Amino acid sequence: DTAVSQTPKYLVTQMGNDKSIKCEQNLGHDTMYWYKQDSKKFLKIMFSYNNKELIINETVPNRFSPKSPDKAHLNLHINSLELGDSAVYFCASSRMNTEAFFGQGTRLTVV
Amino acid sequence: SQQGEEDPQALSIQEGENATMNCSYKTSINNLQWYRQNSGRGLVHLILIRSNEREKHSGRLRVTLDTSKKSSSLLITASRAADTASYFCATGDDKIIFGKGTRLHILP
Repeated sequence: DTAVSQTPKYLVTQMGNDKSIKCEQNLGHDTMYWYKQDSKKFLKIMFSYNNKELIINETVPNRFSPKSPDKAHLNLHINSLELGDSAVYFCASSRMNTEAFFGQGTRLTVV
Repeated sequence: SQQGEEDPQALSIQEGENATMNCSYKTSINNLQWYRQNSGRGLVHLILIRSNEREKHSGRLRVTLDTSKKSSSLLITASRAADTASYFCATGDDKIIFGKGTRLHILP
């Protein structure tokens, strides 16, 4: 059983489109995250979310929005996609003060 | 915000040698974590060391933590080809922040 799963694995789309990436965790964790990894492999946190609080990295454009239908899911919605949004997006989950478990990533290519 | 900074950025060593990577961070922490990322894959947690610990071992991995210097090191002993990957340190409680990583390449 996959602990943290995200879909799709690859996503190719045109500029201006709106897309979503889904993430689910079956570990019973209370905190979920979205990270963006650019071409230089730098991992930048975008959002941190538990059932009490959403923490947004202030540098993330408001075209990006997390949606959590329940504790096990944190989906990422992206509006009006731009070329610079091309990257690998990782979902992760953890309990407070413990290690994070990562999904396999979604490679987003905006053309 | 808390953020680790790994050193060196890239490291190439012969198989069988030991590899040492360092991490420095800026603010006080409750714990520090090390992760590995193989090319094209997600991150895998390696080891977590708490602020009241100075050293921790896991198999061929040894992690040290010096809170007075705000630094940590990851030592991989007797390196193998399969250890070729990027290694990241991370800090944070409700918001885990990663450094830029060290790319380790094990030469046959």
